[in-house]
Amino acid sequence: EDQVTQSPEALRLQEGESSSLNCSYTVSGLRGLFWYRQDPGKGPEFLFTLYSAGEEKEKERLKATLTKKESFLHITAPKPEDSATYLCAADFSGGYQKVTFGIGTKLQVIP
Amino acid sequence: SQTIHQWPATLVQPVGSPLSLECTVEGTSNPNLYWYRQAAGRGLQLLFYSVGIGQISSEVPQNLSASRPQDRQFILSSKKLLLSDSGFYLCAWSGGLNTGELFFGEGSRLTVL
Repeated sequence: EDQVTQSPEALRLQEGESSSLNCSYTVSGLRGLFWYRQDPGKGPEFLFTLYSAGEEKEKERLKATLTKKESFLHITAPKPEDSATYLCAADFSGGYQKVTFGIGTKLQVIP
Repeated sequence: SQTIHQWPATLVQPVGSPLSLECTVEGTSNPNLYWYRQAAGRGLQLLFYSVGIGQISSEVPQNLSASRPQDRQFILSSKKLLLSDSGFYLCAWSGGLNTGELFFGEGSRLTVL
């Protein structure tokens, strides 16, 4: 069964303390890897799509990377407003119905 | 630009009562539409998706149903709610097939008592 596993479940950082979130997946024809940000009580907000190993995408303090078995979301010099839950999702075999979401990493950035 | 609206934002319903959640998308035509449920400690679970008016696919057998009466309108319904239907329901749209680039509404928090 295709699965998406995110770690850690929760992460607490001091403002300015860089770190990375991990998303690992069991491979069954990965067609795309997606990152979302979700604020409490809100719907997820789309951040990035990665299609092939070695690909990188950046947005402000966030950079997403992809290997053959996992993806990382790097957060450089985070600010309190980066606090949110970050979700990873994978499209394994094509078709919108095949997108599988991880449980997410809850990030808290302390001033 | 495209926007998605979902309502109501919160509701508390007794067991056995009916349910209707609505979602509309603006600024795009013929979107793919989705209903997800998010439970604490679990990933987003796809409930229904639709590629066009009247076309509904169900992913999980359950007490819920979905309808798409218009191109940009998606409705989630139940005739009789169960306690297990409590959760955070999210409507989303995407612009094409084979994509995980989903754009979500603000969500509807349902509590069944």
